[in-house]
Amino acid sequence: EVQLVESGGGLVQPEGSLRLSCVASGFTFSNYWMTWVRQAPGKGLEWVANIKGDGSETHYMDSVKGRFTISRDNAKTSLYLEMNSLRAEDTAVYHCAIGGGATDHWGQGTLVTVSS
Amino acid sequence: DIQMTQSPSSLSASVGDRVTITCRASQGFRNDLAWFQQKPGTAPNRLIYGASSLQSGVPSRFSASGSGTEFTLTISSLQPEDFATYYCLQYYSYPRTFGQGTKVEIK
Repeated sequence: EVQLVESGGGLVQPEGSLRLSCVASGFTFSNYWMTWVRQAPGKGLEWVANIKGDGSETHYMDSVKGRFTISRDNAKTSLYLEMNSLRAEDTAVYHCAIGGGATDHWGQGTLVTVSS
Repeated sequence: DIQMTQSPSSLSASVGDRVTITCRASQGFRNDLAWFQQKPGTAPNRLIYGASSLQSGVPSRFSASGSGTEFTLTISSLQPEDFATYYCLQYYSYPRTFGQGTKVEIK
């Protein structure tokens, strides 16, 4: 059974940092692009970043470029999102998902709250 | 960036109704479009990929079509479990972009 379990969310002050993790199981992790998508409270879905299976290619939405870094450890079947210089508008539930396009199988997400 | 304009933003319908949701893209592409269903407090669930291919396990009352700049999702006979929010996603180019969502509510 495919499972994606996110962790690492929490309350952080503006300009602070946080590292999200997503542990994957039930599929050959290294064969798949992986994606982070976020959803602000009461709002719609917003694509954040994705990374190729071997980690050689990454893409980001404009508002997080230079602040967020997506990475992966295929030996640990884990996906990461390093978030720096956090802003109030980054407050959201962050989901990891399998695939680089029509993402299939999403985790339940981890909540990041940026507030003083 | 490709902007995806989804309509309507919400609708009220009855069980058994036929429902159609539309996504319009700011620039055209062939079929790199997916549809998702999200129920409150849960992760989105993929219904459609490749603009018209039904995800395995999704009921056949869901169908989708389109190409270029206009894409549609149709529920042929709305069931109680279909009341949810629906999103389109273009994956033709970066950044990937979602429509703003359509909330389907009970009339």
